[in-house]
Amino acid sequence: NAGVTQTPKFRILKIGQSMTLQCTQDMNHNYMYWYRQDPGMGLKLIYYSVGAGITDKGEVPNGYNVSRSTTEDFPLRLELAAPSQTSVYFCASSHRDKNTEAFFGQGTRLTVV
Amino acid sequence: ILNVEQSPQSLHVQEGDSTNFTCSFPSSNFYALHWYRWETAKSPEALFVMTLNGDEKKKGRISATLNTKEGYSYLYIKGSQPEDSATYLCPKINNNDMRFGAGTRLTVKP
Repeated sequence: NAGVTQTPKFRILKIGQSMTLQCTQDMNHNYMYWYRQDPGMGLKLIYYSVGAGITDKGEVPNGYNVSRSTTEDFPLRLELAAPSQTSVYFCASSHRDKNTEAFFGQGTRLTVV
Repeated sequence: ILNVEQSPQSLHVQEGDSTNFTCSFPSSNFYALHWYRWETAKSPEALFVMTLNGDEKKKGRISATLNTKEGYSYLYIKGSQPEDSATYLCPKINNNDMRFGAGTRLTVKP
């Protein structure tokens, strides 16, 4: 099992560019989450999904979009990158029905200049 | 309390000291509480999954308790070691989502 895989690991974007952060898991988890790490603020929930075809906004969804067409994949899209979106992004997944812990990807460090 | 609150925000202890920190959370819509350990430049890793009022979990020198009625959980570390230095997170699992507080940053000095 690879667990939760995020790509890319690092990226520099120019203001106004768009990109997709990829997240895939091979544990057949139904729940998936996207977080951003802000200094001194811990992890803020951007979007989450309880299963294929279902997504919901978290605490800080503005400027982001997600989709969940398969159980395995949960990409996060930035349409018009802004400096405020400079952060480290973490994807996580869990099996809610079994009430187990969440597993995290290794993170994507994004800088918008 | 509207969101998860952790205290203290940071803690510095000497090697060998025992320590504890607090996680406070709104008791409504409670499904579970997790504890994670997050080392710098790594990803958070789970320590405990706690679901029932009165739960007590232990893993080596680390243990945790849960009170869902009053909305708090304690994490204890006995005989802290430098490798325990990390940020400790306690997200509350609601019906559908998982929300974090700012965490407690522990530094253990040799």
